[in-house]
Amino acid sequence: AQSVTQLDSHVSVSEGTPVLLRCNYSSSYSPSLFWYVQHPNKGLQLLLKYTSAATLVKGINGFEAEFKKSETSFHLTKPSAHMSDAAEYFCVVSEGTGRRALTFGSGTRLQVQP
Amino acid sequence: GAVVSQHPSWVICKSGTSVKIECRSLDFQATTMFWYRQFPKQSLMLMATSNEGSKATYEQGVEKDKFLINHASLTLSTLTVTSAHPEDSSFYICSAPREWHEQFFGPGTRLTVL
Repeated sequence: AQSVTQLDSHVSVSEGTPVLLRCNYSSSYSPSLFWYVQHPNKGLQLLLKYTSAATLVKGINGFEAEFKKSETSFHLTKPSAHMSDAAEYFCVVSEGTGRRALTFGSGTRLQVQP
Repeated sequence: GAVVSQHPSWVICKSGTSVKIECRSLDFQATTMFWYRQFPKQSLMLMATSNEGSKATYEQGVEKDKFLINHASLTLSTLTVTSAHPEDSSFYICSAPREWHEQFFGPGTRLTVL
């Protein structure tokens, strides 16, 4: 069985400061891990994905995440937050390939203050 | 990039009526599609896996007679909420895997049952 825990339901940062969204996973097999973003009234957009290649994954819009097997973590970071980053972020796990159903974390709402 | 569409984007219906939601992969074929449900301020929960040419597989606790899924072609899956009730009001999202490690999500359908 697989599961994902997003450690913060709500994160608030000031514009221009770093962003850290925390995610821990549990999986019986070699997992594929993803971060998706959901803006209000819009569909889910893939930010980045880890699929057993490089452990440091770079995504779109300056986001990156590091897969740490020893800590079963896949935290999302960005050096400098923009107002447009305000959204809901989901950490997602899939056992095996990404063609299987995805298990979503509970989500983290990122608020960016001016 | 790959696009998955959903129709309608929102629907309001009376209690007891049935509602059909379409999910289409616009530029690729999908033998499998997934249906998720998202309640307000909550994460996405997998409802069922739609398989082209065969019966859908439902997650535990999801009533297959209430949520009818038909995967009629390689680009179309439909979810019909039968005899809808207010507790069925939710945001329904479909996804389709294309590449080995990526799924594409539809924009979602907001269902409100009065």
